Amino acid sequence: ETGVTQSPTHLIKTRGQQVTLRCSSQSGHNTVSWYQQALGQGPQFIFQYYREEENGRGNFPPRFSGLQFPNYSSELNVNALELDDSALYLCASSFPRGSTDTQYFGPGTRLTVL
Amino acid sequence: RKEVEQDPGPFNVPEGATVAFNCTYSNSASQSFFWYRQDCRKEPKLLMSVYSSGNEDGRFTAQLNRASQYISLLIRDSKLSDSATYLCVVNGAGNNRKLIWGLGTSLAVNP
Repeated sequence: ETGVTQSPTHLIKTRGQQVTLRCSSQSGHNTVSWYQQALGQGPQFIFQYYREEENGRGNFPPRFSGLQFPNYSSELNVNALELDDSALYLCASSFPRGSTDTQYFGPGTRLTVL
Repeated sequence: RKEVEQDPGPFNVPEGATVAFNCTYSNSASQSFFWYRQDCRKEPKLLMSVYSSGNEDGRFTAQLNRASQYISLLIRDSKLSDSATYLCVVNGAGNNRKLIWGLGTSLAVNP
């Protein structure tokens, strides 16, 4: 196991609601990345946090926001949920060294928006 | 052109077969390359990093051709347990450390 945990494992929401997903990184890792994986697709990068600051963002609207805490755990918040937000949300932790950045994934949170 | 493209699959092979997956990437400045494996409804797990010199881990061999912007994964003596989706992943160039993922290639190893 990677030591990366996520909660909750499953979640059902309705359109327009807000959701908060949580991730605890592997011990010693200071970077957390969030991905959205729709069924049959590869993961899509949402954003990354490094030492509590956003460090890169993918093509997601502002209603996707995040936080990283001093212990390097992280939250992903999604406001005004849409049906297309239904997906597996993955977080990955890492400790970047030079140009390499091996990321280790948590089990994911499966979000269903009705 | 997609940033990372993989063979569409699915691949159906008998046990013991050798199977090869190919992947191309568009950004010549990319620096890190990986193969991840993802089982159905599970998170991706790192299978191998890919180095310029090529690397081997048991039945798995990964190769990188920077000139052609091409990555490959070879699985020899396929096992039933190799059935999964294999994802080619490329690290973004520069300070942006986002991973760019292919859509994955599904492999089914049959008895």
